[in-house]
Amino acid sequence: DTEVTQTPKHLVMGMTNKKSLKCEQHMGHRAMYWYKQKAKKPPELMFVYSYEKLSINESVPSRFSPECPNSSLLNLHLHALQPEDSALYLCASSQEGTEVYYGYTFGSGTRLTVV
Amino acid sequence: AQKITQTQPGMFVQEKEAVTLDCTYDTSDPSYGLFWYKQPSSGEMIFLIYQGSYDQQNATEGRYSLNFQKARKSANLVISASQLGDSAMYFCAMRGINTNAGKSTFGDGTTLTVKP
Repeated sequence: DTEVTQTPKHLVMGMTNKKSLKCEQHMGHRAMYWYKQKAKKPPELMFVYSYEKLSINESVPSRFSPECPNSSLLNLHLHALQPEDSALYLCASSQEGTEVYYGYTFGSGTRLTVV
Repeated sequence: AQKITQTQPGMFVQEKEAVTLDCTYDTSDPSYGLFWYKQPSSGEMIFLIYQGSYDQQNATEGRYSLNFQKARKSANLVISASQLGDSAMYFCAMRGINTNAGKSTFGDGTTLTVKP
């Protein structure tokens, strides 16, 4: 079982809907990430939270809104998405946000389809 | 800036044989970490192995080993005794000491198919 839990696993939403993706980890990791991944492509970084503060926003459109309510939870709020936003959304965590020797623990992802 | 290059879009290997997945990197950071991740068709990215830039020995984790050649800036993944469950996409990635906090650079990936 993955130690980073993402819900839901699949999501279909209309372009006018509002939905949220949820990510949870209980490993005591202090950095959490959102990645977007298209099929057969590497993951693209969207946001980084370090010690519950947003440290990196990779110029993501405002229709994606991240939230880190506490050190274990990470949400991604979605509103007015476009069909091209359909992708696999991966959450990850790492022990620290800046040390080079910590790898990521990824969740199993949410497959999002925008119709 | 950092760059990871994986030149093999797809690889085939016979079950029980060894296979090497290539990864070269470029960075100006004096200290960095190199990582390999496996992504099966189910989607989850699985951390396999880590190599630090100052590590003297090549990293090993079970059937996975990392052939690290610092002067050549290469960090190839070797999978010994391939199994059908090894069929997946494999990503090489790195993090550098001077890179923005938390940012990893990923290669384009290699799709490995293990044949029975």
